[in-house]
Amino acid sequence: EPEVTQTPSHQVTQMGQEVILRCVPISNHLYFYWYRQILGQKVEFLVSFYNNEISEKSEIFDDQFSVERPDGSNFTLKIRSTKLEDSAMYFCASRRGTNEKLFFGSGTQLSVL
Amino acid sequence: DQQVKQNSPSLSVQEGRISILNCDYTNSMFDYFLWYKKYPAEGPTFLISISSIKDKNEDGRFTVFLNKSAKHLSLHIVPSQPGDSAVYFCAASARGGAQKLVFGQGTRLTINP
Repeated sequence: EPEVTQTPSHQVTQMGQEVILRCVPISNHLYFYWYRQILGQKVEFLVSFYNNEISEKSEIFDDQFSVERPDGSNFTLKIRSTKLEDSAMYFCASRRGTNEKLFFGSGTQLSVL
Repeated sequence: DQQVKQNSPSLSVQEGRISILNCDYTNSMFDYFLWYKKYPAEGPTFLISISSIKDKNEDGRFTVFLNKSAKHLSLHIVPSQPGDSAVYFCAASARGGAQKLVFGQGTRLTINP
């Protein structure tokens, strides 16, 4: 079965540094998402992306966050100046169409020190 | 704002018996419901979904029931197997827009031999 691929699997950074989390969604999918899960908590929506623009974002997704789809295959999440509370597992997800299941990547564990 | 709630943080079931996981929601705009299974350090894996026009959907050992009037859904696993031990998340989305998934807090299912 096709997969959503995320790199790196682990990222350790110093507070205030910029990080870029990378994702390769499934090739014929049109809707792209980032979610995160802080340890022991539920999976939270960050942002959705469709037709080369953000379609919805949560309160968590403030000015420090941005997303890009620089080419036909990659989808990135950038955090400009990381905070301690950004430490979480970040999941990329994609789907082919509306009312279809969402496929998740295996996640990037971000640790901000 | 807990639009999707899983009130049981954990459930322990004997191998071969039925596992029943429950989920309640408050947003009447939700029209698509999904169950995901998650192992530690992995992304959520899709199990089964149901549209609001149905009240039951079955796939092998997994059956999801939807009670719209009670805003309640449940996942039945029969028979339960040791490999079913994982955290199970209920998720829901509303028609239109980004159709982001809203997740419950998860239920940790343990299948005992």
